[in-house]
Amino acid sequence: KQEVTQIPAALSVPEGENLVLNCSFTDSAIYNLQWFRQDPGKGLTSLLLIQSSQREQTSGRLNASLDKSSGRSTLYIAASQPGDSATYLCAVREIQGAQKLVFGQGTRLTINP
Amino acid sequence: DAGVIQSPRHEVTEMGQEVTLRCKPISGHNSLFWYRQTMMRGLELLIYFNNNVPIDDSGMPEDRFSAKMPNASFSTLKIQPSEPRDSAVYFCASSPRLAASTDTQYFGPGTRLTVL
Repeated sequence: KQEVTQIPAALSVPEGENLVLNCSFTDSAIYNLQWFRQDPGKGLTSLLLIQSSQREQTSGRLNASLDKSSGRSTLYIAASQPGDSATYLCAVREIQGAQKLVFGQGTRLTINP
Repeated sequence: DAGVIQSPRHEVTEMGQEVTLRCKPISGHNSLFWYRQTMMRGLELLIYFNNNVPIDDSGMPEDRFSAKMPNASFSTLKIQPSEPRDSAVYFCASSPRLAASTDTQYFGPGTRLTVL
């Protein structure tokens, strides 16, 4: 059974810092890995999607990497801003389950002005 | 596009009552997903549909839960009878295609259910 783990569960940093969020998964048989953002009381918004054949994806200040063989992904946020405060969830799409996404518990990020 | 629409946004009910949650996916999307989010268990997939047909309902916790998709623009998740442990945020999501590795899922704002 696929398990997705995110470390740390919570992170608080001052504005302007670069930071890294971690995600690990137990089964490397995946179609892709996605990073989502969730704001309080709202749904999830997809940030980056990395296909299994790719190593990384970038969008603005965000960069996500994927090492499928070791079952790890990182989300790098450059020059953090208070508006980046949210919960970040990692999810892998299993090959066996078609579009079934398995989510981690998330990292709650707070950027202090 | 208005995105995925869910109603109601908040529902408070008493144990034993029937609860119906509603979802309108993004127009043109062929796949629809129902998730439940709790502090203890995180985000869990309950059931998903492709072209209005249920594909995998293995995440539905009990027979008290049922889901339907009578047409491409509407789906319901019903809990009958409801119990306090069903309290959670229920999300609906849709995706353009079931088997495309490049397609993400678009989530609605969720329905916060409280069963007293």
